Amino acid sequence: AQSVAQPEDQVNVAEGNPLTVKCTYSVSGNPYLFWYVQYPNRGLQFLLKYITGDNLVKGSYGFEAEFNKSQTSFHLKKPSALVSDSALYFCAVRDRDSGNTPLVFGKGTRLSVIA
Amino acid sequence: SAVISQKPSRDICQRGTSLTIQCQVDSQVTMMFWYRQQPGQSLTLIATANQGSEATYESGFVIDKFPISRPNLTFSTLTVSNMSPEDSSIYLCSATPPRTVKETQYFGPGTRLLVL
Repeated sequence: AQSVAQPEDQVNVAEGNPLTVKCTYSVSGNPYLFWYVQYPNRGLQFLLKYITGDNLVKGSYGFEAEFNKSQTSFHLKKPSALVSDSALYFCAVRDRDSGNTPLVFGKGTRLSVIA
Repeated sequence: SAVISQKPSRDICQRGTSLTIQCQVDSQVTMMFWYRQQPGQSLTLIATANQGSEATYESGFVIDKFPISRPNLTFSTLTVSNMSPEDSSIYLCSATPPRTVKETQYFGPGTRLLVL
């Protein structure tokens, strides 16, 4: 079975500081990993994904994430946070060998960037 | 990015009634997925809808409560039947359109349902 853990319900960071939103995963095989963002009263927007290759993945809005196989983690990072980054962030996983199966989501982390 | 639209965007319904949510994708897709996001919660998969076959439901979701139609490769509906206040949620349609970023699921804007 696949699962995702986002250990922090809430992350607070000052504008201009680096931010990290944590994610760990569990799959039986090799993972496809994703980050999505949900702004208030909006749907989910795709940020970035790891499929294969370079462990550091760059995505939209200056976000990046690092795949760490030994730690089964895929933390989301940004060097300098903006107030507009305040939103709900979801990490998701799919087992690469399971075909076109739906994503399994973590419970989400609310990011609050304070001016 | 892919365009996935949903109707209605929001609704307020009375207990005991039913609501049908429509999902339209701008390209043909094999599978469409329906998720529920209860207030302050993560996304939970309700079912996978394949064109030409019965939908596959996840544990805790049944066809009588959440009937799904998939009449063609770009369209699906989810009905929330005999609603109760516990059904108040955001319902999201999702798919992986072929011309988009590979392997990536895209989501519609969601249908916000409030049951009184």
